[in-house]
Amino acid sequence: KAGVTQTPRYLIKTRGQQVTLSCSPISGHRSVSWYQQTPGQGLQFLFEYFSETQRNKGNFPGRFSGRQFSNSRSEMNVSTLELGDSALYLCASSVQGSGNTIYFGEGSWLTVV
Amino acid sequence: AQTVTQSQPEMSVQEAETVTLSCTYDTSESDYYLFWYKQPPSRQMILVIRQEAYKQQNATENRFSVNFQKAAKSFSLKISDSQLGDAAMYFCAYRSAISGSQGNLIFGKGTKLSVKP
Repeated sequence: KAGVTQTPRYLIKTRGQQVTLSCSPISGHRSVSWYQQTPGQGLQFLFEYFSETQRNKGNFPGRFSGRQFSNSRSEMNVSTLELGDSALYLCASSVQGSGNTIYFGEGSWLTVV
Repeated sequence: AQTVTQSQPEMSVQEAETVTLSCTYDTSESDYYLFWYKQPPSRQMILVIRQEAYKQQNATENRFSVNFQKAAKSFSLKISDSQLGDAAMYFCAYRSAISGSQGNLIFGKGTKLSVKP
């Protein structure tokens, strides 16, 4: 069974641009969540989607948005990039049910210059 | 709001020895889940072990075991017979059992474990 797949793995963007990151969950997983990892702030929850609906959202500005498609694949978008958005963005998926384990992808490294 | 604290930024252990990583958390909830994740240099988060708060028995997975003290809100990870491949960042994480919160893991700052040959 394939794991959580994130694309692209590495990207460099210029301040002010926007970026879209993609995540394909494990087959059968309908819950997808996103996390930002930086050296200073550690791992922070961005948002969670289930059945194409945002179910939970972390404390991030509106420049950070996401969506989920009917096949459970998810995308997150960051508009008007700032230098501080440079981070590893991790996607995770799980089966419905709070007791189920969350599995992570390898992440997308975003560098804003 | 829930918080997770890992008080040891770095730890070191000799190969084949045992090491314990500490984690404390704060919550007003009675039902929740606790996890230890390992993040090697590849940066992929790998689940090491999980504990359901309603279970008194401590979870074990091969060389990995936890000491879960619910009243003290403590959740330490013990790694026995440490191997070179255990070297990584270890994150303690909390997740509420409240419906609708299942995607929200709250992480500690992590402990960097080095294993000396």
